[in-house]
Amino acid sequence: QVQLQESGPGLVKPSQTLSLTCTVSGGSISSGSYYWSWLRQPAGKGLEWIGRVYTSGTTNYNPSLKSRVTMSVDTSKNQLSLKLSSVTAADTAMYYCTRGNWFDPWGQGTLVTVSS
Amino acid sequence: SYDLTQPLSVSVALGQTARITCGGNNIRDKNVHWYQKKPGQAPVLVIFRDSNRPSGIPERFSGSNSGNTATLTISGAQAGDEADYYCQVWDSSSVVFGGGTELTVL
Repeated sequence: QVQLQESGPGLVKPSQTLSLTCTVSGGSISSGSYYWSWLRQPAGKGLEWIGRVYTSGTTNYNPSLKSRVTMSVDTSKNQLSLKLSSVTAADTAMYYCTRGNWFDPWGQGTLVTVSS
Repeated sequence: SYDLTQPLSVSVALGQTARITCGGNNIRDKNVHWYQKKPGQAPVLVIFRDSNRPSGIPERFSGSNSGNTATLTISGAQAGDEADYYCQVWDSSSVVFGGGTELTVL
């Protein structure tokens, strides 16, 4: 059974770059022709899709975040990564990685706070 | 851009049927997926492609999609079903979520 685990700094300063990693276990990130997505949820607000990456490196990003987002996959490490540049307090949220066109399974999430 | 509209809240008596709607222009032409989100937990997929239940999801969860409205139905709602529910579709290679519905089981 595939499991996902997000990791990265819990605190990022404004204007800096948020960097997160999602480690996939229980299966190869390259198998099954899946897209892998990042989503987030600010406290008290709804779910927001950030973007997705395929194992070939193909990406699609949320138009509202596209200028600041970079996603990639490292198949040798069974990991995907998210970079979000020029962060502000509005980027404070729980960040999740997940799989597929309908999102399942999900990682447990990691809280990222943007503050000086 | 494509918009999805959900009621902010729905209440249901214990053991009764809850229906959560997701409105969108000709949503019948899209595949709708539903997620359950409880505080402090990751979202859980409860319905995919309009009406399909993932393994492990109780049979009391069902979905439909017709016209401009998709519906998540929870038959015999239990206290443990209290959560926020989100509908989701794909539109032009981007994801759209509804604003979420808070389900209260009375």
